[in-house]
Amino acid sequence: QSVLTQPPSASGTPGQRVTISCSGARDNIGINTVHWYQLVPGTAPKLLIYKNNERPAGVPDRFSGSKSGTSASLAIGGLQAEDEADYYCAAWDDRLYAMVFGGGTSLTVL
Amino acid sequence: QVHLQESGPGLVRPSQTLSLACTVSGASVRGGNYFWSWIRQPAGKGLEWLGRIYTTGSTDYNPSLKSRVTISLDTSKNQFSLKMTSVTAADTAVYYCATLDFVDLSFDHWGQGTLVTVSS
Repeated sequence: QSVLTQPPSASGTPGQRVTISCSGARDNIGINTVHWYQLVPGTAPKLLIYKNNERPAGVPDRFSGSKSGTSASLAIGGLQAEDEADYYCAAWDDRLYAMVFGGGTSLTVL
Repeated sequence: QVHLQESGPGLVRPSQTLSLACTVSGASVRGGNYFWSWIRQPAGKGLEWLGRIYTTGSTDYNPSLKSRVTISLDTSKNQFSLKMTSVTAADTAVYYCATLDFVDLSFDHWGQGTLVTVSS
């Protein structure tokens, strides 16, 4: 059971906009920033969004993040076949004094 | 560009100790910009943070694994290492090393990961 809650799956067609949610608690998302990672089998995981809504260099602006209260979300606009991957949210938890992850969302591009 | 590469045995016997190393290039483990961290992913499951170490040698571990995990630095080889004792089949996973930004606490750079199977 993951500390952060994500839907196990999401899907969309090319060109669509998809949103993935991440729900937590006061001790993690409520008081710390949220980061998002993309995992594609056979490749190193990639930082997609950091500090709730910042994009590292090289990440397309189709990817955006937001946070409100104890929840966060990742939005992918103009969906592309190459976006098919697993997406994870993460945040530091002050009560556990540990980094916690969501259970991951498997995105399918139909 | 920072590059990380995991190395170590792919097969460990139950009750034995799992040992992995992460070789860092493009940055120094003596630098103050990062924590050096380990994360794992069992097959079909999500990511699990194992712990982190700072250049000072200070460590923090996942509370659920704290009694079995040790992370250390080898500055002469620009590496950091993971040891996990008393392994069981439940410890079979892909193990990743990663940099954890000191300020933002985001995992900026990741290794490709290495599969460790616990089996007799």
